[in-house]
Amino acid sequence: DAGITQSPRHKVTETGTPVTLRCHQTENHRYMYWYRQDPGHGLRLIHYSYGVKDTDKGEVSDGYSVSRSKTEDFLLTLESATSSQTSVYFCAISVSGTQETQYFGPGTRLLVL
Amino acid sequence: GESVGLHLPTLSVQEGDNSIINCAYSNSASDYFIWYKQESGKGPQFIIDIRSNMDKRQGQRVTVLLNKTVKHLSLQIAATQPGDSAVYFCAEIWNTGFQKLVFGTGTRLLVSP
Repeated sequence: DAGITQSPRHKVTETGTPVTLRCHQTENHRYMYWYRQDPGHGLRLIHYSYGVKDTDKGEVSDGYSVSRSKTEDFLLTLESATSSQTSVYFCAISVSGTQETQYFGPGTRLLVL
Repeated sequence: GESVGLHLPTLSVQEGDNSIINCAYSNSASDYFIWYKQESGKGPQFIIDIRSNMDKRQGQRVTVLLNKTVKHLSLQIAATQPGDSAVYFCAEIWNTGFQKLVFGTGTRLLVSP
């Protein structure tokens, strides 16, 4: 998994509660990404980061926020979880921001009741 | 959403056969393509990539073919093994100021012994 870990790996939470997912990488890659994967939709980009404290929105960013205070950690927060955010969340990294393969972590399976 | 899709949602083959997984893309400006393999419960794993200045690229037991005229990508797996059973995604890079990776919804490859 290209030195990427995600925590927790599984989580069950209730609607309305805040949830934070963590992505940790050990290779000092500049670019980090958060995706969600749902049946029939494939992988969709939520947010990405191009450096410490530098983040931007992806195509499905509503209801999510991110933070990157250190190169190695990229946090995804569901401010008030909803059932529609039940999904599998993947973190990815790339060495540069263009023309570069992204490498994925093992994923976090989130169930919002 | 973006049109990176796969013609066959499920492909069943016998062990030892060659497998061909197809993908159509819609963005003629895309110039970098990636194939990923995803096993159950795991993150997508990089298999092979190809740039638009190439028609063919070979790896270990895998070959990717790119036909820019008809915007078609294929992944060929030689001597398919049970361990190749997984979902395969094609992805294209859209250069929109940053690297936007656009995924298809995936094809499931089932290999029977």
